[in-house]
Amino acid sequence: AQSVTQPDARVTVSEGASLQLRCKYSYSGTPYLFWYVQYPRQGLQLLLKYYSGDPVVQGVNGFEAEFIKSNSSFHLRKASVHWSDSAVYFCAVSASTGNYKYVFGAGTRLKVIA
Amino acid sequence: AQTIHQWPVAEIKAVGSPLSLGCTIKGKSSPNLYWYWQATGGTLQQLFYSITVGQVESVVQLNLSASRPKDDQFILSTEKLLLSHSGFYLCAWSPRNNQAPLFGEGTRLSVL
Repeated sequence: AQSVTQPDARVTVSEGASLQLRCKYSYSGTPYLFWYVQYPRQGLQLLLKYYSGDPVVQGVNGFEAEFIKSNSSFHLRKASVHWSDSAVYFCAVSASTGNYKYVFGAGTRLKVIA
Repeated sequence: AQTIHQWPVAEIKAVGSPLSLGCTIKGKSSPNLYWYWQATGGTLQQLFYSITVGQVESVVQLNLSASRPKDDQFILSTEKLLLSHSGFYLCAWSPRNNQAPLFGEGTRLSVL
């Protein structure tokens, strides 16, 4: 079975600073990995996804993530954050074949301050 | 382009009353469909998935049931609500197995 750990419940960064949100997964097979963002009282929006190939994937709004198999990690990065990036970010994992189940991490609440 | 619509946007219901939430996907045939539940301030828990009309698989038992009466429609229901059913219910779809689910705007449920 899959599992996801997002070790930072809350992160505060200054506007214009760089950002890294951590995600570690557990899955014995080949994972598919995802990052989503949730704004207050809204559904989740997909930021980026990794299926295979280049371990660095680019997403929307300047976000990127790197799949490091040896570390079972899929950290989200952004070079320069904007106040509008304040939201909750979820990392998720699924198997690459078969079980139709997606496991989400607990989420990281990002606050961008002036 | 594909669109996903959930209804209602919000519900306030009494303990013990029935519930029916709906989700419709337009612009995509034979999508995989999912229901998730999110406690306030919490993570998402997958409840059900369906890969074809008439077939629904349960992932977590929360005294809820789901049905897929049409290719583009997914229904979540229960005959008797519990206080613990309160939260945010999200429907999602994916084009193929295990690919990224795309979410609707959700239904906020308060059980009193």
